[in-house]
Amino acid sequence: GAGVSQSPSNKVTEKGKDVELRCDPISGHTALYWYRQRLGQGLEFLIYFQGNSAPDKSGLPSDRFSAERTGESVSTLTIQRTQQEDSAVYLCASSSRTGGYEQYFGPGTRLTVT
Amino acid sequence: QQQVKQSPQSLIVQKGGISIINCAYENTAFDYFPWYQQFPGKGPALLIAIRPDVSEKKEGRFTISFNKSAKQFSLHIMDSQPGDSATYFCAASISYGGSQGNLIFGKGTKLSVKP
Repeated sequence: GAGVSQSPSNKVTEKGKDVELRCDPISGHTALYWYRQRLGQGLEFLIYFQGNSAPDKSGLPSDRFSAERTGESVSTLTIQRTQQEDSAVYLCASSSRTGGYEQYFGPGTRLTVT
Repeated sequence: QQQVKQSPQSLIVQKGGISIINCAYENTAFDYFPWYQQFPGKGPALLIAIRPDVSEKKEGRFTISFNKSAKQFSLHIMDSQPGDSATYFCAASISYGGSQGNLIFGKGTKLSVKP
């Protein structure tokens, strides 16, 4: 079946602009995660959605970051007033289980803030 | 505070050799330890994973060794091939007790297998 998809694959934006990144999880996966990967670094957890429960936003680095998810489908990550330090690859993962093991990642969105 | 420490940062191995990557963790509540393989421009792909109730898990050429008392785990790639050249990440998470299960990643090991 289809894996996790993300769009756009690349996004170049000017400092101060808002950007919206999209994630389509694997069908039937109730858990969805967003991670950030800075150049040459490991992945940092940003936010977690599980079904219709309130999201866990504990990893969001600032109030400029927000995310939404409609039911158990598409999620969008929004970054307002982008800064150069926001440049990174943003990865989405989904899982069929609560407790999130066996997470499957999408290809990521490479964000460049100029 | 980095909860999962991975070494080495980079590794060069001859074709047919054994690649060994090590990780150490701090949080004894972790109960799920996956390894991911990432090729340039791609998302991480789940390679193999282990839980602390076993000391070793093997899948094909890939083996995880787990030492609960030392809080360490390692990935061994037997008969390494040029196609194994990628960045490998270890990770850990808590999967029980209603935890959200977000993965804590090491910083990655760039593996190059020379023909």
